[in-house]
Amino acid sequence: GPKVLQIPSHQIIDMGQMVTLNCDPVSNHLYFYWYKQILGQQMEFLVNFYNGKVMEKSKLFKDQFSVERPDGSYFTLKIQPTALEDSAVYFCASSFDRTEVFFGKGTRLTVV
Amino acid sequence: QQKVQQSPESLTVSEGAMASLNCTFSDGTSNNFRWYRQHSAKGLEVLVSIFSDGEKEEGRFTAHLNRANLHVSLHIREPQPSDSAVYLCAVRGSNAKLTFGKGTKLSVKS
Repeated sequence: GPKVLQIPSHQIIDMGQMVTLNCDPVSNHLYFYWYKQILGQQMEFLVNFYNGKVMEKSKLFKDQFSVERPDGSYFTLKIQPTALEDSAVYFCASSFDRTEVFFGKGTRLTVV
Repeated sequence: QQKVQQSPESLTVSEGAMASLNCTFSDGTSNNFRWYRQHSAKGLEVLVSIFSDGEKEEGRFTAHLNRANLHVSLHIREPQPSDSAVYLCAVRGSNAKLTFGKGTKLSVKS
């Protein structure tokens, strides 16, 4: 089936540094999402994005977070600066018309 | 705000025995419910999507939805050891936002 690719699968970053998580969504999809899952806890919605704009964000989407999809390719989540509590697995997802949502395998972010 | 609770937290069944997982939600106005499977170090695999009260079958996986009771369940027929994973219930809200439960960890013993 359609695949959402996330690169890299694991990233380790020093606290206070900037990190960009990359997501290659399904090619004809129009809606994009990021979810966060702290180890052992439930997956939580961060943000969704359509037509170059954030549609909705949760309280977990701190001011240090930003998303963009420059030149219509990768959908990115940038965290600047990172904090220890940002350590989690971040899942990207995409959908064509908000019905079926396809998830990537996640990027495990470790902030040390 | 939608709240989703799953039970049990963990479940062990023998290979071939039916496995039943439960999910309750707080807001019954949604009409889009999904069950996902999450293997460790892998992404989410959608198992069943159900949009109206009643039953929806996808292979060995059957979802039952009762919005009046704020309940959706997943039944796995003839589970195999390869079905061992965390099963997530998700309810779709506005802007296609999914609210997930904490998951049920299923172990299938051969």
